[in-house]
Amino acid sequence: QVQLQESGPGLVKPSQTLSLTCTVSGGSISSGSYYWSWIRQPAGKGLEWIGRIYTSGSTNYNPSLKSRVTISVDTSKNQFSLKLSSVTAADTAVYYCARGFISGPAYYFDYWGQGTLVTVSS
Amino acid sequence: AIRMTQSPSSLSASTGDRVTITCRASQGISSYLAWYQQKPGKAPKLLIYAASTLQSGVPSRFSGSGSGTDFTLTISCLQSEDFATYYCQQYYSYPQTFGQGTKVEIK
Repeated sequence: QVQLQESGPGLVKPSQTLSLTCTVSGGSISSGSYYWSWIRQPAGKGLEWIGRIYTSGSTNYNPSLKSRVTISVDTSKNQFSLKLSSVTAADTAVYYCARGFISGPAYYFDYWGQGTLVTVSS
Repeated sequence: AIRMTQSPSSLSASTGDRVTITCRASQGISSYLAWYQQKPGKAPKLLIYAASTLQSGVPSRFSGSGSGTDFTLTISCLQSEDFATYYCQQYYSYPQTFGQGTKVEIK
C-alpha cells in the first residue's frame, strides 16, 4: 500500500519561501506510470493543483503559480519537494502531496498524503 | 484552463436516498473525469476515474456517467459514511482543474 507523508514548517513569514517534502513509502518513486504532485486547499475552499514532477525530473506547473514554484525529486530518499517563493497570506492552505496515475493526456490522483497546514503570517 | 462547475453546491439528504451530483466542463473533456470524496480534516479519496470506472475498494452504490461536457455522480442508497464533500476533476488538459465541490449534508 502506497503511503505519502508531507513534512515541513507550519508557519512561514510573508515574502519568504515555503518548503515542503513528501516522503513516499510502500512503493518506489521511480516507478513508471506516475507523476508526483502537489495540491493545495485554502480553508473552506476547493482544490488547486500546484504542479508535478516525474521520476526523470521533468516538471509541469500551474500557470497561475509557475513563476514562484519549484518541485524537485530525490529518488535516493524516495521523496519529492515543493518550494513556493514570495508567499503571502493568500498562500495559507492545507498542502497535499499526491500520486498521479497517468491516463491519457494527464492523470488523476489515486493516493494522497494526509495534508499539512501552512500558515503565512508574521 | 478548463472550468469545472458542479451543481448543486450543497444538498441535504437522508440515509437511503438516491443522490445525484452534476459536473459540467467548459469544453469537451471526453471521459477524462475523476470524482473524489473528502471528509472534514481528511485528504480527498478517489472514487471514480474515466468518468465511470469505480476505484478498487469503493462501494458499488457509487456510480459515474457522462462524457464530453456533462457528467454525473450517483449514490444509489446514501449511507451515513457518505456525508462528505464531493469534487470532480478533469484530466483532459493542463492544468488539471477541480470543481468547486458539492457538500452532502444530513437532512
